[in-house]
Formats: sequence, structure tokens, C-alpha cells
Amino acid sequence: SQTIHQWPATLVQPVGSPLSLECTVEGTSNPNLYWYRQAAGRGLQLLFYSVGIGQISSEVPQNLSASRPQDRQFILSSKKLLLSDSGFYLCASSGEYNSPLHFGNGTRLTVT
Amino acid sequence: GQQVMQIPQYQHVQEGEDFTTYCNSSTTLSNIQWYKQRPGGHPVFLIQLVKSGEVKKQKRLTFQFGEAKKNSSLHITATQTTDVGTYFCAGQTGANNLFFGTGTRLTVIP
Repeated sequence: SQTIHQWPATLVQPVGSPLSLECTVEGTSNPNLYWYRQAAGRGLQLLFYSVGIGQISSEVPQNLSASRPQDRQFILSSKKLLLSDSGFYLCASSGEYNSPLHFGNGTRLTVT
Repeated sequence: GQQVMQIPQYQHVQEGEDFTTYCNSSTTLSNIQWYKQRPGGHPVFLIQLVKSGEVKKQKRLTFQFGEAKKNSSLHITATQTTDVGTYFCAGQTGANNLFFGTGTRLTVIP
């Protein structure tokens, strides 16, 4: 079965600082990869998804970007964080179309 | 754009009472999935429904997919404190990505 590794678990960053969150996947090859954000007590907002190396689709325009340098590695970045970037960031993986999502443990980001 | 609405947003029940959350889509879905997120945790996949009118059971949980494939429900019989968490539905149309509902946060009072 798939295992999603996400780190760090928590992060406190000042406004204007850069961000890099990494996600790696084990137990599968050529997965679809996703970055979701969840504001406190809210639903899941899809930020980016990728169907292969170097292929990134953005769902919401913002100051975040994503990259997929390897098949099972997905990175979420920002050059300058905003207060509104605070939230719970979840990496997810899925197989072919129609298959369920497997989520990592998430990163709680607080921008101060 | 596609929207998946979920009601209620919050539900407090006494332990042993039943609980139901409803999910409605503005468009016809190819499939619907349900996830549970424990407090402080990440969403965990529960089940997927594909066929019109489909009903699936997992112990005390019953999942239904509407005949028109635009709505779904999750019913928990005789809730327990371990049922606490937020339940999300997520709908998919064709080859598009999943659209998550807003979630229903369940509190079970012992």
C-alpha cells in the first residue's frame, strides 16, 4: 500500500520568508500527486496536482508554486509567505482515475 | 463550476444516537468518495460509490448514492466516541479531480 511522507509536521515562519514543503511517496510508481490546503475548521482546497514528472497544474492562483523533480517527490514552495498562507497543508497521492486519495500526515504552517 | 455542498456543518449527538450527513452536487457525478478526518489528523478514505442507487455498509456506517448520482449520504447507527471527527464527501465528474464537500464535524457526547 502507499505511504506518504510529509515534513515538517509543524512550521512557524515570518511573513515574507520562503517556504519549502516536501512530500515523498512509497509503495507505488507514477502516482498522481496533490497539494491541498485546509484552513482551521474548514474544507479541503486543492492547490496543485501532478500526473507526472515536471507536469504541474494549478487550481488556485496565488503566491505558491509546486514542482515534481522526481516521480515520487512533490514540493510546495513560496518565495514570500503571506499571513493568509497559514493553514494545514496536505500532500496526497492516488493511482489511476477513480482511485481514492492517500493523504500524508500534513504540515501545520503558521505565518506570523 | 462544480460544487459539492454538505450538511449539516456541525452535529452534536449523545453517544448511542444515530447521525447522518448529506452531500449534494450541482452536477452529475461519476463517483463519490467519503473520508473521515479525526481531530488533528489527516483525511482517511472510507469508501467509494459508483453506481446509481448504490448502498454500501461498513459495520455501523451506511453509505448511499442517489439515483440521479447527484447526492449521497452517510449514516452512522448508534454513535460511539470513536466516531468523532469530520466527515467529507468528495465527488468526481469524468476524469476531473475530486471536489471535496465542506465537511460535517461530528461531536459525540459520552
